[in-house]
Amino acid sequence: QVQMVQSGAEVKKPGASVKVSCKASGYSFTIHYMHWVRQAPGQGLEWMGVINPSTGYTSYAQKLKGRVTMTSDTSTSTVYMELSSLRSDDTAVYYCARERRDSSGYDYWGQGTLVTVSS
Amino acid sequence: DIQLTQSPSFLSASVGDRVTITCRASQGISTYLAWYQQKPGKAPKLLIYAASTLQSGVPSRFSGSGSGTEFTLTISSLQPEDFATYYCQQLHSNLLLTFGGGTKVEIK
Repeated sequence: QVQMVQSGAEVKKPGASVKVSCKASGYSFTIHYMHWVRQAPGQGLEWMGVINPSTGYTSYAQKLKGRVTMTSDTSTSTVYMELSSLRSDDTAVYYCARERRDSSGYDYWGQGTLVTVSS
Repeated sequence: DIQLTQSPSFLSASVGDRVTITCRASQGISTYLAWYQQKPGKAPKLLIYAASTLQSGVPSRFSGSGSGTEFTLTISSLQPEDFATYYCQQLHSNLLLTFGGGTKVEIK
């Protein structure tokens, strides 16, 4: 069965970086784009960006450009999201989400990773 | 960027009620719209894609309609497990996706 398992919760200081992993299983890793979505406490969903796990091609939300980097490792079927220069308003649950082959939505999600930014 | 406006942001309803949530896009997006349900502490779940296609395993009381700039999600008879927050998402701008602000459905 399809699963995406994310790394555990993180606590970081302002200005630091965080790297969250998302390990996929149960399907052909390279044929589905993977997206990252975050959700601040009590807030809505915010799209962060997308990666083609096969080619490594990425596209990022404008507000995060320069701070976010998404990568993939096909040998372990894992995608990574690194966010640098962390601020308190980066405190959120971060999700990876698999895009359907027809690009019509996200059919599988990771369990979420809480990143807390606090001094 | 394409903006999505959901209404209402909050609604109170009873079990058995028919519920309709609207999502308006700032420009035409054809039928590149998905709906998700999210319960507290859980990842969102895909309900509807391509504006009106029910995701496998989703109960038939959920339906979606619309195209262009106006879309609706309807729950024909609200069940206790349907109390949650619902989000629309546009996938027209393939590499610049956006979500609506969400609609929280609570028990009256």
